[in-house]
Amino acid sequence: SQTIHQWPATLVQPVGSPLSLECTVEGTSNPNLYWYRQAAGRGLQLLFYSVGIGQISSEVPQNLSASRPQDRQFILSSKKLLLSDSGFYLCAWSTGTSGNTIYFGEGSWLTVV
Amino acid sequence: AQRVTQPEKLLSVFKGAPVELKCNYSYSGSPELFWYVQYSRQRLQLLLRHISRESIKGFTADLNKGETSFHLKKPFAQEEDSAMYYCALIPPGTYKYIFGTGTRLKVLA
Repeated sequence: SQTIHQWPATLVQPVGSPLSLECTVEGTSNPNLYWYRQAAGRGLQLLFYSVGIGQISSEVPQNLSASRPQDRQFILSSKKLLLSDSGFYLCAWSTGTSGNTIYFGEGSWLTVV
Repeated sequence: AQRVTQPEKLLSVFKGAPVELKCNYSYSGSPELFWYVQYSRQRLQLLLRHISRESIKGFTADLNKGETSFHLKKPFAQEEDSAMYYCALIPPGTYKYIFGTGTRLKVLA
């Protein structure tokens, strides 16, 4: 069966420091991969998605970037964190067929201090 | 632009009362529609999807294309239904899932 893992689960970082959140999917090949941010009152905001290695679509201009160095690995990064980057980040995957169910990881709490 | 609107941030009902969580969408075609649920300390998970036309945990959702709505309903709420509910759509032929802002359902004893 397919599983998705993301880490770290919680992270406290100072302003201006770099960020790296990692996500991997097991049990499937060539998944579509996603990064969402969940914020109270704003719901689930799509940040990035990828349909293949090296293919990244950015939905919201911001201080973050994403990379997909391997088929089942998706990384969310920042060179210099801002206070406004604090939040709950969710990695997700779906199969290559459009319209299929999307599956979420357990999330990562980021607090920028 | 595609958009999903959930007008209620919080919905409180008593146990045994009917529940309706509202979802309206903006899309000119026929998107695939979903309801996701997040229980306390659990990951966000699929509750039901329009194409399956099934009832999960007593919940159903009917697509009304005229009103562009996909409201989630349950005739008799239970305390374990308390959770955060998200409505979502994906335009056909794309991989971009768009979620609403969510509604927190509280079922009171």
